[in-house]
Amino acid sequence: NAGVTQTPKFQVLKTGQSMTLQCAQDMNHNSMYWYRQDPGMGLRLIYYSASEGTTDKGEVPNGYNVSRLNKREFSLRLESAAPSQTSVYFCASSAADAGGYEQFFGPGTRLTVL
Amino acid sequence: GENVEQHPSTLSVQEGDSAVIKCTYSDSASNYFPWYKQELGKGPQLIIDIRSNVGEKKDQRIAVTLNKTAKHFSLHITETQPEDSAVYFCAATRSGSARQLTFGSGTQLTVLP
Repeated sequence: NAGVTQTPKFQVLKTGQSMTLQCAQDMNHNSMYWYRQDPGMGLRLIYYSASEGTTDKGEVPNGYNVSRLNKREFSLRLESAAPSQTSVYFCASSAADAGGYEQFFGPGTRLTVL
Repeated sequence: GENVEQHPSTLSVQEGDSAVIKCTYSDSASNYFPWYKQELGKGPQLIIDIRSNVGEKKDQRIAVTLNKTAKHFSLHITETQPEDSAVYFCAATRSGSARQLTFGSGTQLTVLP
C-alpha cells in the first residue's frame, strides 16, 4: 500500500497563477484533510471532507477551494495564488467515522509563490 | 474553538537523557490527544496517543500523561537516541465530524551524541 500520496512535491508559482494540489489514499478511509504548515505555527486545517460528497471549512480556508472527487481523491485548488500562500501543504486521511482516530499524512507539497 | 499551546519550541538533550514536551488545551470536551513526529522533509507520523479515559500510556521509551482537570498533557521520551531528533507535535480533538485535529506549534528536539 502506498498510503497517502501527493503531487507535485515542489511547485513555484507567480502571484495570480492558479494550481491544483492532488491527493490520493488507498486505505479506504472516508475522511480526508488538507493542512498547511508554516514555521512556528504547527499544522493548520484548511478544509476537510468527512465523507465522499461532503466538504467543510477548517481554520484557514480563505483563498482555497477543494473537491472530493471520489473516496480516494481530495484536491486543493488555489485560484489566484498570493505570496501569503507560500507554505508546505499536507494531505491526510483517517477512518474517523469508523472509530479510527489516527490521521495518516502524505509527504507534502512545498509551494512557493513569488 | 480549541487552542493548543506547546512548550518548549526547541529542546536539546544529551544522548541517553530524558526529554519532556508539554501541551495545554482549552476545550474541556476534547477527548483524544495524539503526538506526531515529523522528520525532515517528511509528513508527520503518529507515535503515541491517549484518550480522555486514561491518565497515562507507555510504549517502550515513549510515554504520554494526561491531566484532564488541568487540561494539559505531556510527552516523555526516555533514554534518548540520535534518531529521536525531529519535530514533535501535540494535538487535540473532540468527538464529531471527521475528528478535526488542532495542533500545537511544535517542538524541535535535538539529541546530542
